[in-house]
Amino acid sequence: GENVEQHPSTLSVQEGDSAVIKCTYSDSASNYFPWYKQELGKRPQLIIDIRSNVGEKKDQRIAVTLNKTAKHFSLHITETQPEDSAVYFCAASRGGSEKLVFGKGTKLTVNP
Amino acid sequence: NAGVTQTPKFRVLKTGQSMTLLCAQDMNHEYMYWYRQDPGMGLRLIHYSVGEGTTAKGEVPDGYNVSRLKKQNFLLGLESAAPSQTSVYFCASSFATSTEQYFGPGTRLTVT
Repeated sequence: GENVEQHPSTLSVQEGDSAVIKCTYSDSASNYFPWYKQELGKRPQLIIDIRSNVGEKKDQRIAVTLNKTAKHFSLHITETQPEDSAVYFCAASRGGSEKLVFGKGTKLTVNP
Repeated sequence: NAGVTQTPKFRVLKTGQSMTLLCAQDMNHEYMYWYRQDPGMGLRLIHYSVGEGTTAKGEVPDGYNVSRLKKQNFLLGLESAAPSQTSVYFCASSFATSTEQYFGPGTRLTVT
């Protein structure tokens, strides 16, 4: 089955800096790659997703890149703000009836 | 729309007791999921359902049972609780496996 590895497990940046979180997946048939943000004590919420027919997707300060050959995808957050502090989860799925598999999460801390 | 709701929000059980967690969604989603979240372990899938009357095992199904008698409800049962089942439980629903999952607020369960 699919296996998703996520790095780093913790990341601390200064406000205004960029943050990058990387994930690798094992199933070459996976075609859907979402990213979820979970603030302390809250539920996970989707922030951006990408499908395998696209190499990059942007939404304001966040972007996701996908390298299908290397089987890895990354989340980029620019101009970080304290409210970006949260745990971020990547995930992968091959669609159909196959379930989504999550990485173990990255705790991002943005220091003012 | 209420989205995804879970009851109860908190519960303390003694080892060997049983309980049922209720998840309800009002978005007419076919797919529903139960996850558990433990520190450093990310979101692990317990069981899921691809439609009314169906259930399937996820990554960590042992010690849990589920039922999906109505499309809008997904129940998670613990027949004989163990301390290893102390965790935060999240329910989620989605239109399909490759679309956004909407999470409930979570249930914090402690087994003593």
